[in-house]
Amino acid sequence: EAGVAQSPRYKIIEKRQSVAFWCNPISGHATLYWYQQILGQGPKLLIQFQNNGVVDDSQLPKDRFSAERLKGVDSTLKIQPAKLEDSAVYLCASSFGLDTQYFGPGTRLTVL
Amino acid sequence: SQQGEEDPQALSIQEGENATMNCSYKTSINNLQWYRQNSGRGLVHLILIRSNEREKHSGRLRVTLDTSKKSSSLLITASRAADTASYFCATDAERDMRFGAGTRLTVKP
Repeated sequence: EAGVAQSPRYKIIEKRQSVAFWCNPISGHATLYWYQQILGQGPKLLIQFQNNGVVDDSQLPKDRFSAERLKGVDSTLKIQPAKLEDSAVYLCASSFGLDTQYFGPGTRLTVL
Repeated sequence: SQQGEEDPQALSIQEGENATMNCSYKTSINNLQWYRQNSGRGLVHLILIRSNEREKHSGRLRVTLDTSKKSSSLLITASRAADTASYFCATDAERDMRFGAGTRLTVKP
């Protein structure tokens, strides 16, 4: 089966610019996650969707980050405006239930 | 906040040796999972152990869980150079998964 797809793979922007990431989960997976992974650290959950509803966004910096999952399939994560400390790899994962998560390759964001 | 904490932060061994990594967590869990991440790539699920299980095997992997101590260990037997990666434990805290900072394993050929 096809895995979790993410795009772009790499993005370089200047601070205060906006950026958007896209994720297409594995077909049939109701749960979708966005993680931020700063170099040398473990993934930090930003937001979790169940179908098109938000289950948990307690760690999402809502003043600059937003995410949506229209139609309960693919999802976009946006940062507006970006800060230097947003430089990280943004990982998308999906799962059928609440157990095993399948991760995409990630988008490496560099904010200059 | 991160739920699991892996120990050690880094581990370097020779090919053929066994590698043991530990994970401690803070709150009650339903299950604990171990993931592997090769440099610059996404995470790959290795094994899941439920709170009512004490030990689980998958190929060269052995995972133990001690809920009384809130800890888990991952043992990789007969390590290979291809096992070089970062290993993370993840626990479910109510509804979502929390990852630790990981153990960086280097297996020298």
